[in-house]
Amino acid sequence: SQQGEEDPQALSIQEGENATMNCSYKTSINNLQWYRQNSGRGLVHLILIRSNEREKHSGRLRVTLDTSKKSSSLLITASRAADTASYFCATDGPRNQFYFGTGTSLTVIP
Amino acid sequence: GAGVSQSPSNKVTEKGKDVELRCDPISGHTALYWYRQSLGQGLEFLIYFQGNSAPDKSGLPSDRFSAERTGGSVSTLTIQRTQQEDSAVYLCASSLEGGRVGSYEQYFGPGTRLTVT
Repeated sequence: SQQGEEDPQALSIQEGENATMNCSYKTSINNLQWYRQNSGRGLVHLILIRSNEREKHSGRLRVTLDTSKKSSSLLITASRAADTASYFCATDGPRNQFYFGTGTSLTVIP
Repeated sequence: GAGVSQSPSNKVTEKGKDVELRCDPISGHTALYWYRQSLGQGLEFLIYFQGNSAPDKSGLPSDRFSAERTGGSVSTLTIQRTQQEDSAVYLCASSLEGGRVGSYEQYFGPGTRLTVT
C-alpha cells in the first residue's frame, strides 16, 4: 500500500527541546501533509507541502520534503507540553486515495 | 463557522445488525473523506467523494460497507451485518478540493465510536 511510515514510533523530550520526526512513503506523490492528533482536539491539519517544494515553515514547525528519497521530516522547535500528541504524515496516491502513516507519539515533559 | 459534525458520537450494536453513520461537512466543501481508526492505529482510508461521486470505492473493506453523498453535502456510511472487527472510530473529513485528492487541508469531525458486541 501507499501507507507512509513515521519514525520514530515514539519520542519523549523535555519542554524547550526540539522534536524531529520522519516519514517515508512508497510511490510518487503530488502533496504531503502532516496532522496532529490528541485526545482533546482530535485530528488537526498542521502543514501541506507540495511535491515541487523542498521546505515549508509554519510558526514553530518546519517541514522538509525529499522526493528523491521519498521522505519528509517534521521539526517542532522549542517544544511545549501542549505539543504532546500523535503526529501523522499523509500523502495522495494512486486511484484517488489518501494515505496516513502509522504515526509518531510525541511526549513533551514539562 | 461550524466544523464537520458526525452522528452519532457513540454507537453500540450487536453483531449482525446494520448501522448508519452520518457526516455533515463544512458548508461549501466539495470533497468529503471517510476513514477508520482502530485502537492505537493510524487512519485507514475508506472512500473519497468529490461532489456526489466517489471515483474509487476499492478502499472500502468489504461489500458490507457502502457510502453515499447526496446534494454535495451530507454523507452516510452504512455497514451491513456488522462484525466485531468493524469496531473502530469512524472519522469523516471535508476539504476544498478542486482536483486531485489531498490537494487541500482536511478538516476532521470528532468521529463516531462504533462498538460491535
